[in-house]
Amino acid sequence: DQQVKQNSPSLSVQEGRISILNCDYTNSMFDYFLWYKKYPAEGPTFLISISSIKDKNEDGRFTVFLNKSAKHLSLHIVPSQPGDSAVYFCAAVSGTYKYIFGTGTRLKVLA
Amino acid sequence: NAGVTQTPKFRILKIGQSMTLQCTQDMNHNYMYWYRQDPGMGLKLIYYSVGAGITDKGEVPNGYNVSRSTTEDFPLRLELAAPSQTSVYFCASSYSPDGQPQHFGDGTRLSIL
Repeated sequence: DQQVKQNSPSLSVQEGRISILNCDYTNSMFDYFLWYKKYPAEGPTFLISISSIKDKNEDGRFTVFLNKSAKHLSLHIVPSQPGDSAVYFCAAVSGTYKYIFGTGTRLKVLA
Repeated sequence: NAGVTQTPKFRILKIGQSMTLQCTQDMNHNYMYWYRQDPGMGLKLIYYSVGAGITDKGEVPNGYNVSRSTTEDFPLRLELAAPSQTSVYFCASSYSPDGQPQHFGDGTRLSIL
């Protein structure tokens, strides 16, 4: 029973264009959603988060959108840069100390 | 600012051996977590702790034990290593569990042969 799903294992985007990474969830009780970025041989690093009471949060080139009715969130990166090439994980938490992670999407930004 | 430090970075164990994965954080976070990541999979929670002396099971606790005697340290113990425990292990900490970001160590890559 996978509560958080990232259905695209990989994504390639040209430098300067928009990258859109998607995440679906099944538990309507999740309070917060987070995005992490992971480079090889390193731990995940926090990127951006959104509360379930909001539908958008923006931080520089990164914007997260939340559609509660569709149980869907997306991460937009504009403009994409080669340094953004990494694996991106979405995660959700419902106040039970247990963060549920998706399986990740590998983003490759082509120069 | 060290953040979350994990040791060792790599280890090869034989089936049946035991070992302890070390994790320490210097951010005075009460909440600490152990995850494992298998190839092509997300992070699965093994154990977590909400403060010194308090631990609880996560999603995949079988074959592991933890202790939390101090705020800083949260070691993970593998008893009787099995090939199914071959994975990358991540330790994380957070200020609180209500959506606050977790800070991760760089992981321990463990192979059981």
